Amino acid sequence: AQKITQTQPGMFVQEKEAVTLDCTYDTSDPSYGLFWYKQPSSGEMIFLIYQGSYDQQNATEGRYSLNFQKARKSANLVISASQLGDSAMYFCAPSRGAQKLVFGQGTRLTINP
Amino acid sequence: DAGVIQSPRHEVTEMGQEVTLRCKPISGHNSLFWYRQTMMRGLELLIYFNNNVPIDDSGMPEDRFSAKMPNASFSTLKIQPSEPRDSAVYFCASRRTGANVLTFGAGSRLTVL
Repeated sequence: AQKITQTQPGMFVQEKEAVTLDCTYDTSDPSYGLFWYKQPSSGEMIFLIYQGSYDQQNATEGRYSLNFQKARKSANLVISASQLGDSAMYFCAPSRGAQKLVFGQGTRLTINP
Repeated sequence: DAGVIQSPRHEVTEMGQEVTLRCKPISGHNSLFWYRQTMMRGLELLIYFNNNVPIDDSGMPEDRFSAKMPNASFSTLKIQPSEPRDSAVYFCASRRTGANVLTFGAGSRLTVL
């Protein structure tokens, strides 16, 4: 079974600082892409960003960017200029063609004012 | 676009009762996923359908759980009989083939006493 590792169960960051959330996975299939989702305390799952396995450049969406290193099987999420509203759980999910998303255990991010 | 619609949002029931959770995917989305989220086990994929056909139900915990998708606009997840350890938030999500976004519903919070 696919194993996804998010090594940081909890992180505390000062507002306006950049944050890097780690995610590694253990497939040797080169066609795997990767999703990141955010879950605030209200409980909904919010799509943040997707990196395709063959995309040449790292994906970016506003303040979110991915540091995708296929050889290391890692796809870290970078949040620039963090805001209080970024406090949430963050989940990564590798997937082949988005067919079957299996999520990591998540990282709880707390932004301090 | 009304999003993925789940009902009920909250359900409290007694052990041994039958529970039925419902999901209406986004129109035009042909893949549907059921997830369960608990503190202990995180987000688990229970089952997913493509074009109304169950593709992978390996995550269904036991025979007490069953899921159906009689048409493209409706799916149910049934637990019979329910047990306290089934208490969790159950998410439904849908995706259009080829799209790199999985859209989640708001979730159904189940409490089995």
